[in-house]
Amino acid sequence: ETGVTQTPRHLVMGMTNKKSLKCEQHLGHNAMYWYKQSAKKPLELMFVYNFKEQTENNSVPSRFSPECPNSSHLFLHLHTLQPEDSALYLCASSQDPHQETQYFGPGTRLLVL
Amino acid sequence: GENVEQHPSTLSVQEGDSAVIKCTYSDSASNYFPWYKQELGKGPQLIIDIRSNVGEKKDQRIAVTLNKTAKHFSLHITETQPEDSAVYFCAAREREASGGGADGLTFGKGTHLIIQP
Repeated sequence: ETGVTQTPRHLVMGMTNKKSLKCEQHLGHNAMYWYKQSAKKPLELMFVYNFKEQTENNSVPSRFSPECPNSSHLFLHLHTLQPEDSALYLCASSQDPHQETQYFGPGTRLLVL
Repeated sequence: GENVEQHPSTLSVQEGDSAVIKCTYSDSASNYFPWYKQELGKGPQLIIDIRSNVGEKKDQRIAVTLNKTAKHFSLHITETQPEDSAVYFCAAREREASGGGADGLTFGKGTHLIIQP
């Protein structure tokens, strides 16, 4: 176990649904990240949070909405997704954004129908 | 921005043999190069990393080499074992001198390593 947990582990949703992914880290880190992992493609950085403040948004569509209420919790709110959004969504954390070592959670496998 | 290329996409080796995975990067300002191992149903786990002021680093059966001039780095696994079977990702990161933004990693597409018994 890396100290980063994600729920749910699997999610199936229709294009009109609204759902949320949750990430929690028990490492005392200050930076948290969302990545998207699609088959045959590199992991794509989506969002970076430092001390609850968003420091990076990699041109992610507005149908993905992150929320970081505190340094230990990170959410990804999903609405009106497309089938091409089906992927593994990975959360990671690090001591701070300038600390290179990132610890990943197990991911949420999302299927959009 | 940074671009990381990784080869091969699939590598099959006999148990006990060595495996080598290679990556190239485009941004000469990148100075941190981690390798992650991802097993089925799990997130990527850091196995070894190297910084640009070092040319080689070793940890038991795993070693990483870095050639800054050529902008490539490689993962070497010796005496491979069945539990080494997984997908391996290389990554690169530039640390901005200003300390702001762009702190995520740029990953390669991954190598599926298969250890044949």
